[in-house]
Amino acid sequence: DAGVIQSPRHEVTEMGQEVTLRCKPISGHDYLFWYRQTMMRGLELLIYFNNNVPIDDSGMPEDRFSAKMPNASFSTLKIQPSEPRDSAVYFCASSPRQGLGGGGGYTFGSGTRLTVV
Amino acid sequence: AQSVAQPEDQVNVAEGNPLTVKCTYSVSGNPYLFWYVQYPNRGLQFLLKYITGDNLVKGSYGFEAEFNKSQTSFHLKKPSALVSDSALYFCAVRERYGQNFVFGPGTRLSVLP
Repeated sequence: DAGVIQSPRHEVTEMGQEVTLRCKPISGHDYLFWYRQTMMRGLELLIYFNNNVPIDDSGMPEDRFSAKMPNASFSTLKIQPSEPRDSAVYFCASSPRQGLGGGGGYTFGSGTRLTVV
Repeated sequence: AQSVAQPEDQVNVAEGNPLTVKCTYSVSGNPYLFWYVQYPNRGLQFLLKYITGDNLVKGSYGFEAEFNKSQTSFHLKKPSALVSDSALYFCAVRERYGQNFVFGPGTRLSVLP
């Protein structure tokens, strides 16, 4: 398996533009997570899905952010309109169901570095 | 609510010396505890986990961690640090019946040659 695949690796956009980040999870993983990483706030969970259904989106900072998972092999995180304070590294992670045996944790993608100017 | 603290933003250690990266947690019930490492421009990688049993768990790259229930700690250790261990280290906790991990703020480890 190629792991969790995110695209693009880097994105530079102007304030006010729409940005779409993409993620392909590991096949067979039931859970998909979107995280944002900044120096100031560390690693923040934005939203996670179970079997393509959003379970907890309480971390989504505001209505400008939206996430979808139309099928088990693809998810998007969209920011519209983008603002400079959205600049961060956005990670996608996937995992199988974390059973009582503890599970193996998450597998993270390499991230998308977003810069909004 | 779950929470994870990593009291040190930065840890510096000389190559060949032992290293410790500290983690304390708060969670209801018995926790599942994890350590992840992040190298520059990469995603987080799983290092090791504690589920139950022996309080000392061994993981990748010679790392180990000690679970201390009374102190609610899960410190990461390595007997002899390498320059290549320099990275950002995250402690994470998960409730036994939950699916979501809570990550600590991270500790940057610098191993000096």
